[in-house]
Amino acid sequence: AQTVTQSQPEMSVQEAETVTLSCTYDTSESDYYLFWYKQPPSRQMILVIRQEAYKQQNATENRFSVNFQKAAKSFSLKISDSQLGDAAMYFCAYRKDGGSQGNLIFGKGTKLSVKP
Amino acid sequence: DAGITQSPRHKVTETGTPVTLRCHQTENHRYMYWYRQDPGHGLRLIHYSYGVKDTDKGEVSDGYSVSRSKTEDFLLTLESATSSQTSVYFCAISERGRTSGTNEQFFGPGTRLTVL
Repeated sequence: AQTVTQSQPEMSVQEAETVTLSCTYDTSESDYYLFWYKQPPSRQMILVIRQEAYKQQNATENRFSVNFQKAAKSFSLKISDSQLGDAAMYFCAYRKDGGSQGNLIFGKGTKLSVKP
Repeated sequence: DAGITQSPRHKVTETGTPVTLRCHQTENHRYMYWYRQDPGHGLRLIHYSYGVKDTDKGEVSDGYSVSRSKTEDFLLTLESATSSQTSVYFCAISERGRTSGTNEQFFGPGTRLTVL
């Protein structure tokens, strides 16, 4: 069964600095998708960035980028120029390609605090 | 924002009572999911639906049932609520659960359920 591990329950970053959140996963599949979701105190789940496993190029969305290492099964999220609004829970998620479920498998989350 | 609503948003009930949570979408997406979120566990799949009257179990389905009589509505029922079902419940939708593509899942705002 696929699993997703986020080894950092909590992280802290100074405003305007850069922080990296770690995520590793375990799968025997070759085709899959990886996601980072942000959950602010409002509880709303917001997609931050996505990565297709067949793409070697790391995904980037404005201040958010990933370091995808397929062989190492690692998918870290880098937040540059951190802002107070980035404070939230961040969840790494995995979804395999194909199959009938299509559901996401989530890590346990990392709580990010941003200090002014 | 994807048109997903959940009702109720908050509910307090007593052990042994039946509870039904409703997810309503206006996107005409085929796939719908129910997740629960608990501290230290991230989000875990309860049940999902891949079409009207087509449903299947997820990782933590014991004690839950679902129904989907219309594309837009996906109901989650706790036949006899227990304290272990105290959680935050999220509904999600996806245009396509299977096949290739990132097929983003859009999440509802969540329902906080407390079982006393």
